[in-house]
Amino acid sequence: QVQLVQSGSELKKPGASVKVSCKASEYTFTSYAMHWVRQAPGQGLEWMGWINTNTGNPAYAQGFTGRFVFSLDTSVSTAYLQISSLKAEDTAVYYCARDWVAATFDYWGQGTLVTVSS
Amino acid sequence: QSALTQPPSASGSPGQSVTISCTGTSSDVGGYNYVSWYQHHPGKAPKLMIYEVSKRPLGVPDRFSGSKSGNTASLTVSGLQAEDEADYYCSSYAGSNNPVFGGRTKLTVL
Repeated sequence: QVQLVQSGSELKKPGASVKVSCKASEYTFTSYAMHWVRQAPGQGLEWMGWINTNTGNPAYAQGFTGRFVFSLDTSVSTAYLQISSLKAEDTAVYYCARDWVAATFDYWGQGTLVTVSS
Repeated sequence: QSALTQPPSASGSPGQSVTISCTGTSSDVGGYNYVSWYQHHPGKAPKLMIYEVSKRPLGVPDRFSGSKSGNTASLTVSGLQAEDEADYYCSSYAGSNNPVFGGRTKLTVL
């Protein structure tokens, strides 16, 4: 059974950094790209970008350049999202999602709530 | 890339049918047969309900169906059940492995 298991909730102060993990299991990690999706409180799903799990090459959506970094550790089938210089507006649930074909997401992580508050 | 346009809400009584529209452009919905629909219950992971416009993943009831005409895709839920109450999002491939999501439709089962 394919699973994407994300790290737990985080409470951070403005200006800090956070790293969210997404561990994949029961499939060949490098066979499918991984995307990241954000849901801010009361808002809809917002696509953040994706990372090629073969090459490690990331691509970021508009609005997610600079402070957002996607990375991998293929030895443990894990994708990471790091956000630096956190702001209150980064408060959201962050999801990883497996790209089955043409940015169709067949499996999702359970979500990681990142709260930024002083 | 602008978000796809969905109605903010939809509703129906148990047993009835409801259709949710998703309007894009020729650069996304109209240009590719890669429209997906996701069901999202609060606090849970989104679930793929329809892919490639009208196909259902294993385990998704056939009460859920999808279609597309031009730049507008639709999700129809027939025989509404209480557990169908959720947020629904459309998504379309928009080139370069980029998707674009719809704005969200809150489906209420009356």
